[in-house]
Amino acid sequence: AQSVTQLDSHVSVSEGTPVLLRCNYSSSYSPSLFWYVQHPNKGLQLLLKYTSAATLVKGINGFEAEFKKSETSFHLTKPSAHMSDAAEYFCVVSEKGSKGSARQLTFGSGTQLTVLP
Amino acid sequence: DGGITQSPKYLFRKEGQNVTLSCEQNLNHDAMYWYRQDPGQGLRLIYYSQIVNDFQKGDIAEGYSVSREKKESFPLTVTSAQKNPTAFYLCASSILHTGPAYEQYFGPGTRLTVT
Repeated sequence: AQSVTQLDSHVSVSEGTPVLLRCNYSSSYSPSLFWYVQHPNKGLQLLLKYTSAATLVKGINGFEAEFKKSETSFHLTKPSAHMSDAAEYFCVVSEKGSKGSARQLTFGSGTQLTVLP
Repeated sequence: DGGITQSPKYLFRKEGQNVTLSCEQNLNHDAMYWYRQDPGQGLRLIYYSQIVNDFQKGDIAEGYSVSREKKESFPLTVTSAQKNPTAFYLCASSILHTGPAYEQYFGPGTRLTVT
């Protein structure tokens, strides 16, 4: 069985300072991993995904994440926070499944990012 | 524009009533999903469908029902048997997987309040 742990339920940073949102996963095989962002009362938007190509993945809005197999981590970072980054962020792992099938996703419990002026 | 629409955005119902949430997509995706989101929790899968007229239960299917009569549509009915129906409901879709995992695309959600 696979699982995802987001290590911080809330993170608060000042505008212009770096962002680090931590995620650890558990999987019996090489997983596919995603980060999604959710603004209040909105759907989820994909930030980036890892699918066993490059271990450093660049996403939208200046975010990136590094897949570290030895640490079973997939932390999300951004060099400089912007007020518009304030939202909830979800780390997600996908089961391997079989070709031609739908894939079930396992979601972390989310990290609420606050950006202070 | 391609995307997923969910309606209505807010829905209020009395306890004991069934209610149906709409989800439509024009992305030509084969797979569709329904999730429930509660405060402080991640999303939990209710049902998913890979093809018209076929669907599978997710982790929390009790008290819910779905249908998939058209590729574009995947409505969710919250029945009176669902003990705690107040939540934010999200619909998603994706292509079927031929290799690496593909992302799911999400609708804007419906907030259901049952009193």
